[in-house]
Amino acid sequence: QITLKESGPTLVKPTQTLTLTCTFSGFSLNTHGVGVGWFRQPPGKALEWLALIYWDGDERLSPSLRSRLTITKDTSRNQVVLTMTNMDPVDTATYFCAHRFYNGEARYFDYWGQGILVTVSS
Amino acid sequence: DIQMTQSPSSLSASVGDRVTITCRASQTIATYLNWYQQKPGGAPRLLIYGVSTLQSGVPSRFSGSGSGTDFTLNITSLQPEDFATYSCQQTYSSPFTFGGGTKVEI
Repeated sequence: QITLKESGPTLVKPTQTLTLTCTFSGFSLNTHGVGVGWFRQPPGKALEWLALIYWDGDERLSPSLRSRLTITKDTSRNQVVLTMTNMDPVDTATYFCAHRFYNGEARYFDYWGQGILVTVSS
Repeated sequence: DIQMTQSPSSLSASVGDRVTITCRASQTIATYLNWYQQKPGGAPRLLIYGVSTLQSGVPSRFSGSGSGTDFTLNITSLQPEDFATYSCQQTYSSPFTFGGGTKVEI
């Protein structure tokens, strides 16, 4: 079965760079159509999509955060890494990664990690 | 960016009630509209994709409809485990935006 799990620091200081790793199993990021996305959700607020990397290495980044985000994949290790620079207290949120399914007719995120709460504070 | 406007932001309901949540896109998104359920402290759970297709394992009391820019999630005969927050998301084009969420409370 497909599983994903986020890992990384739970506390970062303002201006620091956040590096989160999504380690997955049950699928290959070499498979046509597959992707892994990152999302976040500040406490009590709505979900926000951040980034997506496709099986072919193509990527999409949130325009509002593009200058701060990097997404990479390590297919051999079944990992996707998200980095976010210049962290601010407003970036405090639970960060999720998710598997993206695509079959030519539908595109959706069907398997999600449990999430990791990242707090930005000095 | 495509804006997703969800309403209501919250609603009170009872077990057995029928609940309707709407989601409006700022431009056409074809059928790339998905619905998620989320419980406190938990990850989103995919309920419906492609406007109306139930994800495997999702009870048939959940249904989705709509086209173009206007979409609806219906829950018939609300069950205790359905009290949660529901969010729509468009995957028509990047950025893959969500609605603001609808909290279904007792």
